[in-house]
Amino acid sequence: DTGVSQDPRHKITKRGQNVTFRCDPISEHNRLYWYRQTLGQGPEFLTYFQNEAQLEKSRLLSDRFSAERPKGSFSTLEIQRTEQGDSAMYLCASSLDQPYNEQFFGPGTRLTVL
Amino acid sequence: QKEVEQNSGPLSVPEGAIASLNCTYSDRGSQSFFWYRQYSGKSPELIMFIYSNGDKEDGRFTAQLNKASQYVSLLIRDSQPSDSATYLCAVNSKLIFGAGTRLAVHP
Repeated sequence: DTGVSQDPRHKITKRGQNVTFRCDPISEHNRLYWYRQTLGQGPEFLTYFQNEAQLEKSRLLSDRFSAERPKGSFSTLEIQRTEQGDSAMYLCASSLDQPYNEQFFGPGTRLTVL
Repeated sequence: QKEVEQNSGPLSVPEGAIASLNCTYSDRGSQSFFWYRQYSGKSPELIMFIYSNGDKEDGRFTAQLNKASQYVSLLIRDSQPSDSATYLCAVNSKLIFGAGTRLAVHP
């Protein structure tokens, strides 16, 4: 399978715990994006990387959220001290570095914070 | 005003009909426009993208863009029950999404 993969697919955690999600992009794609989607809404942009550089972060991304892409391949998104409002689907997408980049999404990680 | 607006639906069409999905955007400088399909519980799947004014056809799908009116649409010809999903309009390289339109194709 050469598509975007995400792990885990589901995560249930208690409020206050830390969680980490992983995304493996399509191998030749050097751009990687994180989005969050809640029920009935479209995905909301969180952050993106070009290679290992984090180029933009949304104001939605509080200090409890951190993302890394240390070698320009896979990426991790960590949420510290989770809150019930963090419950959502976390989506990763990747694209080539082109002016009008088409993004391809992974299956997502569904987070439930109890 | 939301940056990208779509009618939430549901839009109900009979099998074989043309489904017309519409989207308006607020940023006049927007350059790239995407349509994604999302089945319930699944992630978005890219079905069409358009950058220039006019029509772009791909199989049963046609995307239409009018930058002067800040309007982009998706036409689905010969609609099938398997087309029943939420269709998300997205704008620009970091993908600003609308909330999506639910399409229901009934036999």
